[in-house]
Amino acid sequence: AQSVAQPEDQVNVAEGNPLTVKCTYSVSGNPYLFWYVQYPNRGLQFLLKYITGDNLVKGSYGFEAEFNKSQTSFHLKKPSALVSDSALYFCAVRDQRIGGNMLTFGGGTRLMVKP
Amino acid sequence: DVKVTQSSRYLVKRTGEKVFLECVQDMDHENMFWYRQDPGLGLRLIYFSYDVKMKEKGDIPEGYSVSREKKERFSLILESASTNQTSMYLCASSPPLALFSYEQYFGPGTRLTVT
Repeated sequence: AQSVAQPEDQVNVAEGNPLTVKCTYSVSGNPYLFWYVQYPNRGLQFLLKYITGDNLVKGSYGFEAEFNKSQTSFHLKKPSALVSDSALYFCAVRDQRIGGNMLTFGGGTRLMVKP
Repeated sequence: DVKVTQSSRYLVKRTGEKVFLECVQDMDHENMFWYRQDPGLGLRLIYFSYDVKMKEKGDIPEGYSVSREKKERFSLILESASTNQTSMYLCASSPPLALFSYEQYFGPGTRLTVT
């Protein structure tokens, strides 16, 4: 069965500094990987995805993620953090149990960007 | 833009009540999903549907049922609400696999409290 792990419950970073939110995955076959963001009292918003192709994927709001097959990781990054990036971030992998569009989510990482 | 709406943002119900959570999407998506979100546990799939009148159990279906009579509407039913069903409930939809899109689009969530 596929799974996703987000090893950090919370990441703290100063505004202007680079940020990394970690994600590792376990799947059989090729992974389809996603990052979502959740702002307070809101639903999840899609940030970016890796299906195939370049290992560095660019997404919304200046975020990018690097797919690393050997380390089975898909870390989310941003060169310069903003206070407004403070939110809950979820990594997800496409569920392979049934040929549908189901996703398996990690537990989430809260990003706190301080001025 | 895809729009997924949920009937209530906040709901307070008593133990034993029958609870209906409604979700509507406006993009003619075949796939719809219900998740519950709890701190530290991420999102867990309750039920999903890949077509009208079709439904499949997710990871935690116990105590829940669903209904999909029209393509745009997917309802989650708590037959007899219990306090351990206090949670944030998120609805999502996604296009068919043939479009190779895979990402899901989420509603704003319903925070349900059962007292």
